[in-house]
Amino acid sequence: GQNIDQPTEMTATEGAIVQTNCTYQTSGFNGLFWYQQHAGEAPTFLSYNVLDGLEEKGRFSSFLSRSKGYSYLLLKELQMKDSASYLCAVRASNNDMRFGAGTRLTVKP
Amino acid sequence: DAGVTQSPTHLIKTRGQQVTLRCSPKSGHDTVSWYQQALGQGPQFIFQYYEEEERQRGNFPDRFSGHQFPNYSSELNVNALLLGDSALYLCASSPTGGGYGYTFGSGTRLTVV
Repeated sequence: GQNIDQPTEMTATEGAIVQTNCTYQTSGFNGLFWYQQHAGEAPTFLSYNVLDGLEEKGRFSSFLSRSKGYSYLLLKELQMKDSASYLCAVRASNNDMRFGAGTRLTVKP
Repeated sequence: DAGVTQSPTHLIKTRGQQVTLRCSPKSGHDTVSWYQQALGQGPQFIFQYYEEEERQRGNFPDRFSGHQFPNYSSELNVNALLLGDSALYLCASSPTGGGYGYTFGSGTRLTVV
C-alpha cells in the first residue's frame, strides 16, 4: 500500500520563498507528482520527478530522494495567487496514483 | 483540444438514492481514474478503468461501481447514498503507461441531504 504525509498548513509572505515537504512509503515507485489546487477547483499539474534530484520549472522546483522517500516543492517569489493547496501524489508501479492530504498555503501581503 | 469533461457540475440527492456521474477523457487518453475529495482532504482513489475493465480499486464499498465505454468515457455509479458520500468527485485521465500524470476534470460536487 501507500502512505503519503504532508504538513497541513503553511503561511508565507508575498515575495518570499517557501518549501513544502512530502514523505511517502510505497510498494513500487513510478513517479512523484505535485499538483496545485485552488479552493473548489480541480488539481492542476505542477511537476514530476521519477529520478533523484531537482527539477526546475520557472518559479517552482521539486526535489526527490527515492532512498529517503522524500520530496519537496519549492516556490520562489511568492505571489498572492499562489495561495492554494499543494498535493503530493505518488504513482505506483501498477500506474495508479495516490494523493496526500495536501498542504494549504496562505500567502500574506 | 478538449480536456477532461465531467457532468453534471453540481448535484443534490437524497439519502438512499442512486447517482451516476459521467466523464469524458482528454483526447488521446485511454485510462480513467475516479477520486472522491471531501472538504479539506486530498483526493481518495476510488478505482481506475482501462480497456473497459476495472484495473485498480481503492478502499471503497461495493456501492461504488463504474463502467468504461469503447470510446474511453466512463461513469461512476453510487447506490444507496449516505450523507458521508457528499464530496467533490474528480475524474482524471491519462495515456497508456501513465505518461506525465493525470489530467483532471473540474469535478462534480455531490451533496446528499
